[in-house]
Amino acid sequence: QVQLVQSGAEVKKSGASVIVSCEASGYIFTNYGITWVRQGPRQGLEWMGWISGYNGKTEYAQKFQGRVTMTIDTSTNTAHLEVRSLKSDDTAVYYCARVPHCSSTKCYMENGVDVWGQGTTVTVSS
Amino acid sequence: DIQMTQSPSSLSASVRDTVTITCRASQNIGGYLNWYQQKPGKPPNLLIYAASTLQTGVPARFSGSGSGTDFTLTISSLQPEDFGTYFCQQTDRNPYTFGRGTKVEIK
Repeated sequence: QVQLVQSGAEVKKSGASVIVSCEASGYIFTNYGITWVRQGPRQGLEWMGWISGYNGKTEYAQKFQGRVTMTIDTSTNTAHLEVRSLKSDDTAVYYCARVPHCSSTKCYMENGVDVWGQGTTVTVSS
Repeated sequence: DIQMTQSPSSLSASVRDTVTITCRASQNIGGYLNWYQQKPGKPPNLLIYAASTLQTGVPARFSGSGSGTDFTLTISSLQPEDFGTYFCQQTDRNPYTFGRGTKVEIK
């Protein structure tokens, strides 16, 4: 069946970096996009960006530009999210989700996302 | 950024009641509005996209309406499994912001 399986919980110090992985199975990875959403205790749900499984094209929320990198590995059907210069405000559950409608230039969030990963808890301590 | 304001923040209703949740955008977003349901410890689940289109597999008691700045999610004949937190999300403009959520409790 279609599923996204994320990597395990992480505990990091302020200023460090973290990489969260999202392995897809049950569908043709390159036909869809992946978006990343996080849920923190204060900020609630925050959309971070998307990456096309077709060509790796990305779009980030401006808030995360320069501090976040989304990549894909089509040999393992895995998407990765790297967050650098971690702060306590980055403590959150990070979710990946499948975007059904992507072209060669853009992933369309208008029709929502249809499959989610189970979430990865990232805790940042000072 | 577009701000999404949901009301109420929580509600308690009985089985078979009709429940209405509203979401207001800080600027015109056309029909670019999605609704999600989230249960504790789980990721959100898409209910409705493009303001009024029911996602495949979602029961027909869920419906959405609205355009511009004002949107509504209606649950007709509330069922015990409908407890959880409901979120709206605008997909008109980056960043695609969410509301703070409406927690639905079954009496």
